[in-house]
Amino acid sequence: NAGVTQTPKFRVLKTGQSMTLLCAQDMNHEYMYWYRQDPGMGLRLIHYSVGEGTTAKGEVPDGYNVSRLKKQNFLLGLESAAPSQTSVYFCASSYPGGAGELFFGEGSRLTVL
Amino acid sequence: KQEVTQIPAALSVPEGENLVLNCSFTDSAIYNLQWFRQDPGKGLTSLLLIQSSQREQTSGRLNASLDKSSGRSTLYIAASQPGDSATYLCAVPGYSSASKIIFGSGTRLSIRP
Repeated sequence: NAGVTQTPKFRVLKTGQSMTLLCAQDMNHEYMYWYRQDPGMGLRLIHYSVGEGTTAKGEVPDGYNVSRLKKQNFLLGLESAAPSQTSVYFCASSYPGGAGELFFGEGSRLTVL
Repeated sequence: KQEVTQIPAALSVPEGENLVLNCSFTDSAIYNLQWFRQDPGKGLTSLLLIQSSQREQTSGRLNASLDKSSGRSTLYIAASQPGDSATYLCAVPGYSSASKIIFGSGTRLSIRP
């Protein structure tokens, strides 16, 4: 029972490099989310998706892009990484309508030098 | 705009005590409220989900209550144990945008043996 799986779990980038974080869920959830967690800032929503082929901006979308080509996968991309994007990134998924329980992955720790 | 506040930010109590963690929110039009636990370096684990029509939910030594009219929820932990030490977060999706789930900044709980 995998639930929500994030890869990679750790990554170090240099300023200006690009990378993609992958989130995969096996619970057939419609909704998927990407959050970042920073000390003193709590969890902030980057982007979310309410279904395959759809994405929307959250609180802090600048510098990130996302894609939801398959229902089970939600990708978060950094086109040109900046030190301000050093953070722990969490993916989550739920059933639609806001009434469903939210399930989280274990997180991806990204450091941008 | 929904805002979620958790006070205190940190709490330390001796083992065996009963304790209450608080969560307040500014917009009472919510679908549900969810309590999570986060251990250091880990993802968030769902503890309890209270639907807007419910007053409380129980799981083992945990009891969560919801008072929408006052914009408050409490998480009651009975007979605390050192293994309960973690950060506890609450989260709410709003009716106006159920996809955007807003988190409190959490209460860091330490149980002293």
